[in-house]
This record gives sequence, structure tokens and C-alpha cells, in this order.
Amino acid sequence: GDSVTQMEGPVTLSEEAFLTINCTYTATGYPSLFWYVQYPGEGLQLLLKATKADDKGSNKGFEATYRKETTSFHLEKGSVQVSDSAVYFCALLTFRSARQLTFGSGTQLTVLP
Amino acid sequence: DVKVTQSSRYLVKRTGEKVFLECVQDMDHENMFWYRQDPGLGLRLIYFSYDVKMKEKGDIPEGYSVSREKKERFSLILESASTNQTSMYLCASRRDRGGTGELFFGEGSRLTVL
Repeated sequence: GDSVTQMEGPVTLSEEAFLTINCTYTATGYPSLFWYVQYPGEGLQLLLKATKADDKGSNKGFEATYRKETTSFHLEKGSVQVSDSAVYFCALLTFRSARQLTFGSGTQLTVLP
Repeated sequence: DVKVTQSSRYLVKRTGEKVFLECVQDMDHENMFWYRQDPGLGLRLIYFSYDVKMKEKGDIPEGYSVSREKKERFSLILESASTNQTSMYLCASRRDRGGTGELFFGEGSRLTVL
């Protein structure tokens, strides 16, 4: 079945550090890929997405590139801020499961001033 | 802006009690979902609904039921709460039946079963 594997957390960084959160997937067919973010005390919200191979999603300084050859969608940001502290979820959507997202386990990020 | 409102942010119930979690969305979305969120497990889909009076089981439906009598409201019901149902419950909605649209989430309901 479809699955998403994220790097284990928690991740703690200093402000202005470079961030990478790894995400790999297993899916039948050609999935669309997403990153959702959950700020403290809030629900999840869409951060970025990519719908086909080599697409790059970007938002709020975050980027992720859909790599079909490595089945990956790693999240990156060049300079994190304290306000980026949140839980980040990688997710996929395939034709087979076209009506529901499959989520990874989430990665807690804490950014220290 | 789309708003998904969950009626209770925090609930404490006793084993065996019947529990209702309510979710309302204000953007006329067709699809609605209930997930539970547990540390290290991410989000797991309990039930979803594509339209009024329609429901389908997700990955972990055991011990839960749902009701969708009106398009804007999707209720999750725990017929007889158990301690292993202590969790954060998240409701979400999506506009289109095609399945590619963005999910909009509520803030969550944290349920503790004693």
C-alpha cells in the first residue's frame, strides 16, 4: 500500500540555520505530494505541494522538489526563524487513493533564538 | 477564508460513555474527514464522507461511527469510549469530489478517556 516515511524528530535548530526534513514515499502510480504544517494549538494547513515529477513546491521560504528517481520530497529552508517552530507532515495522494491523503508520522521542529 | 470549527477543544470522559465530536465547515465543501493524531503515528483516517448521508470507512473505523445529516456538519461518535481512544481528533473538509483539492483542518479536539 501507499506509505510515507519521514525523518525522526524532534529537530532543534538555531535561528538562521538551514533546515532539511527528509520524506520518502512508496506508492502505486504517480502521486501528488504535499507538506502540511501544524503550528502549536492549531490544525494542519497546507504549506506546499507538487503534482508531478521534477515540480518544485514553494511557500514562505520553504521548498520541496518531487524526485521520482529517489521517491523523495524533502523539505528545505535556507534560514529558519523561531516562528517556524511547528510539526511538519509529508503526505501523498495517488489515483488509487485519490480521495484521501496518506500522511507521514510528522517531524517536530523547534527553532531557538 | 474557509473555517472548520470543532465544537470542543478539550474533553474528559469516562470509560463507557458515549461521546460526540462535532465539526462544522462554512464553505459548502462536499468532502469531510475525521482523523486521529497520535505521537509517532501521524494522522490516521477514521471515516470520511463525500456528501450528505454518505460515509465511508477509513483506516481505523473500529469503535467509531459518524453522521452527516447536513452538508456543513460531520459528527464523530464514540459509542462506548475506551482509554485507547484518548487522542487528538482532527476534522477536515475539502471542496471537490475529485480528490485533488486542499484539505482544510479544524483546530482539533483533545479527548481524554479515564
